[in-house]
Amino acid sequence: EVQLVESGGGLVQPGGSLRLTCVASGFTFSDHYMDWVRQAPGKGLEWVGRIRNKAKSFTTEYAASVKGRFTISRDDSQNSLYLQMNSLKTEDTAVYYCARLTYYSQSGGFFAMDVWGQGTTVTVSS
Amino acid sequence: DIQVTQSPSSLSASVGDRVTITCRASQSISRSLNWYQQKPGKAPMLLIYAASSLQSGVPSRFSGSGSGTDFTLTISSLQPEDFATYYCQQSYSALWTFGQGTKVEIK
Repeated sequence: EVQLVESGGGLVQPGGSLRLTCVASGFTFSDHYMDWVRQAPGKGLEWVGRIRNKAKSFTTEYAASVKGRFTISRDDSQNSLYLQMNSLKTEDTAVYYCARLTYYSQSGGFFAMDVWGQGTTVTVSS
Repeated sequence: DIQVTQSPSSLSASVGDRVTITCRASQSISRSLNWYQQKPGKAPMLLIYAASSLQSGVPSRFSGSGSGTDFTLTISSLQPEDFATYYCQQSYSALWTFGQGTKVEIK
């Protein structure tokens, strides 16, 4: 079964740090780009960032709201994706999802997030 | 950044109704537009990719259309399990963005 499982969420004080982990199973993790997406309580989805695969030199992208504070990394030997969150703010409070990107070449070459984890909750509060 | 604007933000409909949700991008994005469904307390699920391609396993009552800046998600005959929030998302730029969401409620 294709699956993503996030962990590492919790309560942290403003200015603190937290590291989220996403473990993949049921597919060749190393082939895929991976994203993080978050959802604040009662709000919509917000794209957080991406890490590409080895063929694309593990390059990363970040939303402006987290750039310079969050770092995405991966360990293909462990089928694991990470989100290191530093200098956390109350507005970072959200459910954090990891998602697999799949490239649909048959449709002309487009990416979409086709597999999602169940999410892990991060609460930033004093 | 490319902005995507969904409308309406919510709608009420009955089982069997035809429902249409629109998404407009702030610049041309070709067909780089995906649609997701999210039910309360659950992760989003991919419905449509590349503006009009149906994800495997998704019922055929869901369809997408559009290119450039204007896109549409249509549910041809609303079913009880379709009451959820729907999001469009552009994949044209390196930094992806979601629409604000459309909540489909029972009339």
